[in-house]
Amino acid sequence: DIQMTQSPSSLSASVGDRVTITCRASQSISSYLNWYQQKPGKAPKLLIYAASSLQSGVPSRFSGSGSGSDFTLTISSLQPEDFATYYCQQSYSTLGTFGPGTKVDIK
Amino acid sequence: QVQLQESGPGLVKPSQTLSLTCTVSGGSISSGSYYWSWIRQPAGKGLEWIGRIYTSGSTNYNPSLKSRVTISVDTSKNQFSLKLSSVTAADTAVYYCARDVELLMTTVTFDYYYYYMDVWGKGTTVTVSS
Repeated sequence: DIQMTQSPSSLSASVGDRVTITCRASQSISSYLNWYQQKPGKAPKLLIYAASSLQSGVPSRFSGSGSGSDFTLTISSLQPEDFATYYCQQSYSTLGTFGPGTKVDIK
Repeated sequence: QVQLQESGPGLVKPSQTLSLTCTVSGGSISSGSYYWSWIRQPAGKGLEWIGRIYTSGSTNYNPSLKSRVTISVDTSKNQFSLKLSSVTAADTAVYYCARDVELLMTTVTFDYYYYYMDVWGKGTTVTVSS
């Protein structure tokens, strides 16, 4: 099975900060990597698919990069509504493993 | 736009079978290149992919749950369902259904199929307890 790790597990940031979250796969997954945002009590929301493609309706301050086994989600200027937990998910294998999540909270 | 809604008992006894249904509205479950997936999340923990079904009936399951999971589809009702047998307290979680897009990207040399979950239900809490 492909294992996914994320770092950091949590971070504190201020509105306007540039935030970077890293996701690493236990083997190469090409660009088969998705990013989701989840707020408390809500379902996850798709942000990025295929490592760098922005889902329709998602603000352009979100961007994704990477290929192989190392990936990054960047929020260029953190907004109040961005405080949430972010999950990566690989879709290289049928078992679509999620990362453990990165919680972004207010500094 | 397509919406998904989970339904089913919120309380299941240990050793019994958990049964949930996801109703798709705003579009046909049979149209487009989509799988239909189930994901769960224990309280305070991360997301676990359970499995998915194509409208042809083809299924994929998480190997760790495969012996206990059955996902089925009823195109006439625009629904798909999850059954998880022999449940224990470890199966207590919020259960989500989601639409899993199959996106074909073509290049000069290869065709790539990408998968991602773009529409989710709100989730339903299932507690396993006697």
